[in-house]
Amino acid sequence: NAGVTQTPKFQVLKTGQSMTLQCAQDMNHEYMSWYRQDPGMGLRLIHYSVGAGITDQGEVPNGYNVSRSTTEDFPLRLLSAAPSQTSVYFCASSYSSGPLVDTEAFFGQGTRLTVV
Amino acid sequence: RKEVEQDPGPFNVPEGATVAFNCTYSNSASQSFFWYRQDCRKEPKLLMSVYSSGNEDGRFTAQLNRASQYISLLIRDSKLSDSATYLCVVKLTDSWGKLQFGAGTQVVVTP
Repeated sequence: NAGVTQTPKFQVLKTGQSMTLQCAQDMNHEYMSWYRQDPGMGLRLIHYSVGAGITDQGEVPNGYNVSRSTTEDFPLRLLSAAPSQTSVYFCASSYSSGPLVDTEAFFGQGTRLTVV
Repeated sequence: RKEVEQDPGPFNVPEGATVAFNCTYSNSASQSFFWYRQDCRKEPKLLMSVYSSGNEDGRFTAQLNRASQYISLLIRDSKLSDSATYLCVVKLTDSWGKLQFGAGTQVVVTP
């Protein structure tokens, strides 16, 4: 089972460049999200989606865009990379995460991004 | 102040010993609680949910104390394979899947 697939696994960008981190899941999950993980800090939510066509901002959305045109895919776009965006990025999905529902979050393998 | 706080460790534990550590959360509207495990340079994976009455999963026991706003994880008979970072995760009431993560507690099990 593929689960949640993220690409690329590693990326080096120059300041000002743009790029898209890809995320795809094959579990028919409603809920998808993007987190960044920095040393000494917990994962922080960037953007999330509760279904195709619906996205919303998380805790640290500045400098990132998302879209959800299909249930399966949830790409994260860096508009103009900055050194502060050097981090490990994780995409996650879960079957349903409504206010009263708890289901396991499945994570992709992560993308290690360095902005120089 | 962080919403979810954990002792970063490392907790160095001899193989076969017991280790326990806590996590505190600041928002009393927290609804659900989890422990995730993260191996070095890997993705987090769900270890167990934490229920109000406390729960066990094999050698792992999780407890919730709502009054003092902390959860705990105890690992008995530690194995080398238990070496990992354990992430405390909280979901707020009425939040659409938005999880709050602690920075993690590192456990190192030594032979």
